Amino acid sequence: DVKVTQSSRYLVKRTGEKVFLECVQDMDHENMFWYRQDPGLGLRLIYFSYDVKMKEKGDIPEGYSVSREKKERFSLILESASTNQTSMYLCASSFGKFYYEQYFGPGTRLTVT
Amino acid sequence: GNSVTQMEGPVTLSEEAFLTINCTYTATGYPSLFWYVQYPGEGLQLLLKATKADDKGSNKGFEATYRKETTSFHLEKGSVQVSDSAVYFCALTLGPNAGKSTFGDGTTLTVKP
Repeated sequence: DVKVTQSSRYLVKRTGEKVFLECVQDMDHENMFWYRQDPGLGLRLIYFSYDVKMKEKGDIPEGYSVSREKKERFSLILESASTNQTSMYLCASSFGKFYYEQYFGPGTRLTVT
Repeated sequence: GNSVTQMEGPVTLSEEAFLTINCTYTATGYPSLFWYVQYPGEGLQLLLKATKADDKGSNKGFEATYRKETTSFHLEKGSVQVSDSAVYFCALTLGPNAGKSTFGDGTTLTVKP
């Protein structure tokens, strides 16, 4: 069975802290994605990666960075967390460059106080 | 750019009622179309998909037909159950772009016994 796991389901951090969200997939997928989900705003793409060490900005990359050192792992980094980054963060992966569905992790609910 | 417009929610139905959630899209080309479902506290999971015009995707009693002439992919189910209560997302993927998807805002469905 396909599996995308995220390091934490719930996380509470203080303003100004550096935050790491980890995502691992076991399907040998090329593509990995980070989204944030907020009420009334749907899913918004933060960053995505189509290969190891490759990354591209999504729609809302400001305040975030990413790292993909291994094919199965994609990390989202909040360099200095702020309260407006309180959100649900969803990781996803997909196979290939065309027309394939995405597989999602369970999400990390991050609260920044 | 590409976009997906979903029927606004929330939608509340009684058990065994007929469900329609409208989805229309704008894309420069011929996308693949998807419906994802998100149950409370979970990530999104693929419900069904269609990759070319006139294809019908189906799963768990849900159906959607890819209509190129009306650029639509409406989700239907003949008889909903309480367990169908969830948020439903329509999405499209148009390659080659590393499988990046465009999502609708989501429609919340509540089914009452």
